[in-house]
Amino acid sequence: GAVVSQHPSWVICKSGTSVKIECRSLDFQATTMFWYRQFPKQSLMLMATSNEGSKATYEQGVEKDKFLINHASLTLSTLTVTSAHPEDSSFYICSARDQRAGNSYEQYFGPGTRLTVT
Amino acid sequence: GIQVEQSPPDLILQEGANSTLRCNFSDSVNNLQWFHQNPWGQLINLFYIPSGTKQNGRLSATTVATERYSLLYISSSQTTDSGVYFCAPENQAGTALIFGKGTTLSVSS
Repeated sequence: GAVVSQHPSWVICKSGTSVKIECRSLDFQATTMFWYRQFPKQSLMLMATSNEGSKATYEQGVEKDKFLINHASLTLSTLTVTSAHPEDSSFYICSARDQRAGNSYEQYFGPGTRLTVT
Repeated sequence: GIQVEQSPPDLILQEGANSTLRCNFSDSVNNLQWFHQNPWGQLINLFYIPSGTKQNGRLSATTVATERYSLLYISSSQTTDSGVYFCAPENQAGTALIFGKGTTLSVSS
């Protein structure tokens, strides 16, 4: 199967600090990964599309200087929340598209990272 | 962009009951996935179903792409089926999934 991991599972940080979240595809290579944000009892909102070796594509309204995305290898994408504020507290979920030959380009999701900014 | 509407928003069932969840989308799509989000937040892939019908155990799904809807059937529901079910068609650029608001299912014993 296709497995995606995220680290850390949860993090608490002080206002003004930066937090890095890692997303890894464990058993396949992913040229494209996605970052979503989910508020309590709401749906997933796409934040950005991460492409290996190139700049990320951000959705409208998402500050690229605040949410830094780096997709440095075919199995790792990172999201850094810079100068975090309490309103950045949320559940962040990554996904990766399985583009192995013969597969359907299905997306698989990591377990999520719960960020709390105090 | 594509609009995704899921119904019902909430569903309460007794164990053993059957249910049908519906997903309407506003434009033609090439791909569509159904997910179950468990209480810990993990999204579990249920179906990748751009068209046609698929079955996996007690679950099955049908997508009628020409009429822009997809259905998820749950038979003989169990308490472990509780959680939020999301429908997510792919956007027209083929670059990302667009999520509906979900159906929250509660199954009691």
